[in-house]
Amino acid sequence: DVKVTQSSRYLVKRTGEKVFLECVQDMDHENMFWYRQDPGLGLRLIYFSYDVKMKEKGDIPEGYSVSREKKERFSLILESASTNQTSMYLCASSLFYSGKYTEAFFGQGTRLTVV
Amino acid sequence: DQQVKQNSPSLSVQEGRISILNCDYTNSMFDYFLWYKKYPAEGPTFLISISSIKDKNEDGRFTVFLNKSAKHLSLHIVPSQPGDSAVYFCAAPSLTQGGSEKLVFGKGTKLTVNP
Repeated sequence: DVKVTQSSRYLVKRTGEKVFLECVQDMDHENMFWYRQDPGLGLRLIYFSYDVKMKEKGDIPEGYSVSREKKERFSLILESASTNQTSMYLCASSLFYSGKYTEAFFGQGTRLTVV
Repeated sequence: DQQVKQNSPSLSVQEGRISILNCDYTNSMFDYFLWYKKYPAEGPTFLISISSIKDKNEDGRFTVFLNKSAKHLSLHIVPSQPGDSAVYFCAAPSLTQGGSEKLVFGKGTKLTVNP
């Protein structure tokens, strides 16, 4: 069974704090993703990584950065947390076969509240 | 510019009846589609997928239909059960500028199955 683990289920941070969200997968997947889910907006891609130290911006990267130093770990960083970053954050991973897609597996989510 | 659209934010059905969730897409290059199911405070889980070489894929109570000419797909759940109450997301893999793949999601449809 693929397992994607996010370090926290719930977080409360203050405005201006630097926040780290950690994600670890145990299936040697090349691809890892960070999404956020907001009511009425669905799942929006923040950043993703297709290899160690490789990253690509998603649809809403502003205010975020990422780090992938090891294949199994993908970190999302909120440089200076703001209240509009209060959201459910979801990490996912997938294999990549050239020309053939495989489904992404998600972690349990981190509910971040910025006060 | 939303490439995957789920125009119904919510759907309510009676237990035992059919649930039909709809999804439209605009990118004719999409050749694979996935449905994910999400309970509150949990990550999405993969439900069923369909390749563009097929027009139907069935897995137990779940069937996905694809109409390529209309750029439309639908998820049928028969019979619906209260445990099916969740948010359902339609998704499609999309090639990025860097040549990797990301999943593009619709905004989701909240299904409520009433006992």
